[in-house]
Amino acid sequence: AQSVSQHNHHVILSEAASLELGCNYSYGGTVNLFWYVQYPGQHLQLLLKYFSGDPLVKGIKGFEAEFIKSKFSFNLRKPSVQWSDTAEYFCAVNEGSGGGADGLTFGKGTHLIIQP
Amino acid sequence: KAGVTQTPRYLIKTRGQQVTLSCSPISGHRSVSWYQQTPGQGLQFLFEYFSETQRNKGNFPGRFSGRQFSNSRSEMNVSTLELGDSALYLCASSLGGPGTDTQYFGPGTRLTVL
Repeated sequence: AQSVSQHNHHVILSEAASLELGCNYSYGGTVNLFWYVQYPGQHLQLLLKYFSGDPLVKGIKGFEAEFIKSKFSFNLRKPSVQWSDTAEYFCAVNEGSGGGADGLTFGKGTHLIIQP
Repeated sequence: KAGVTQTPRYLIKTRGQQVTLSCSPISGHRSVSWYQQTPGQGLQFLFEYFSETQRNKGNFPGRFSGRQFSNSRSEMNVSTLELGDSALYLCASSLGGPGTDTQYFGPGTRLTVL
């Protein structure tokens, strides 16, 4: 079975600081990788996704993530955060074979607070 | 294009009752997945429907069931409610299925079991 680990459960940064949120998964086969964000009072929104190709993917709002297959990692980065980035961030994975056997497996989430 | 909609948004039930939640996917999406979100367990996959057939199922008891209609709308049913079923239930839709496509989430139904 797949599992996803997000190492930082709570992160507090000041505006303009750089951000990196860690995500590691355990699955030996081909995977699709996602980062979702949940702003306060809003529903889950897709930030970015990786299916194949260039391992450095760019998403909305200046976020990017790098897939490192050898490390089973898909870390989320942003060079300069804003107060509006305060939210819960979820890393998720599912099988990339097309079978969609188990739906999305989510990490526990990282609660990011940006201080003005 | 309208997003995923879920009704009702909030629901209060008592132990032993049953509940039905509804989800309307994005127009043209044929796959609907359901997830349970709780503070302790996080987001957990319940099941996925594609073209009215349940294709995938997570590790939940048989009290949790669902179905999908020909217009791709889906319902989820929980029978004999327990206190631990209190959660946010999320529905997500995609074009062709979770393994090959991106899932878009609705706002969820907040279920409270008393």
